[in-house]
Amino acid sequence: NAGVTQTPKFQVLKTGQSMTLQCAQDMNHEYMSWYRQDPGMGLRLIHYSVGAGITDQGEVPNGYNVSRSTTEDFPLRLLSAAPSQTSVYFCASSYTQRTEAFFGQGTRLTVV
Amino acid sequence: RKEVEQDPGPFNVPEGATVAFNCTYSNSASQSFFWYRQDCRKEPKLLMSVYSSGNEDGRFTAQLNRASQYISLLIRDSKLSDSATYLCVVRAAMNYGGSQGNLIFGKGTKLSVKP
Repeated sequence: NAGVTQTPKFQVLKTGQSMTLQCAQDMNHEYMSWYRQDPGMGLRLIHYSVGAGITDQGEVPNGYNVSRSTTEDFPLRLLSAAPSQTSVYFCASSYTQRTEAFFGQGTRLTVV
Repeated sequence: RKEVEQDPGPFNVPEGATVAFNCTYSNSASQSFFWYRQDCRKEPKLLMSVYSSGNEDGRFTAQLNRASQYISLLIRDSKLSDSATYLCVVRAAMNYGGSQGNLIFGKGTKLSVKP
């Protein structure tokens, strides 16, 4: 049982480059979300989705896009990377919004 | 006031000690409460859900006081392997202030158990 799978685990980007962080879950969870974790800041919600075709913004959405074409996948796109986006990114999923969340292993992104 | 507040620690305790973490939350409409554990450079993992009646899982006991908007985690007989950061997590009510029931994380309390 793979759970929540994120790729890549590490990435270095140059300022202005774009990229997509992949997230897939095999638990048939409706709710998926993306967080970033910075030292001293805790986890902050970027975007979330309550089901295929439905996405919404979280606390820190600027500079990021998401889409949810299938129940399983929820990619996060960085449109034009900036050094302020250097962070650890976690994807999470849960059966519903009321149940506990399961996290992927994280992507460590550095923007230079 | 921050939505979920925790003492960042670190708590440095010897093996076998009992240690307690506290957490307060600001949204009285919050509906679900959890403790997550996060090891260094790893993803958060659910430790336990927190119920109004209090609940226990082995050496871990969680308590919720809705009137005071306060959550606690008690760890008895601490092990070296308990060293980690413990995250207090609250799920706001659906459709409350636009939160759509999303998880709100505290910044975590760091525990270090020494031999």
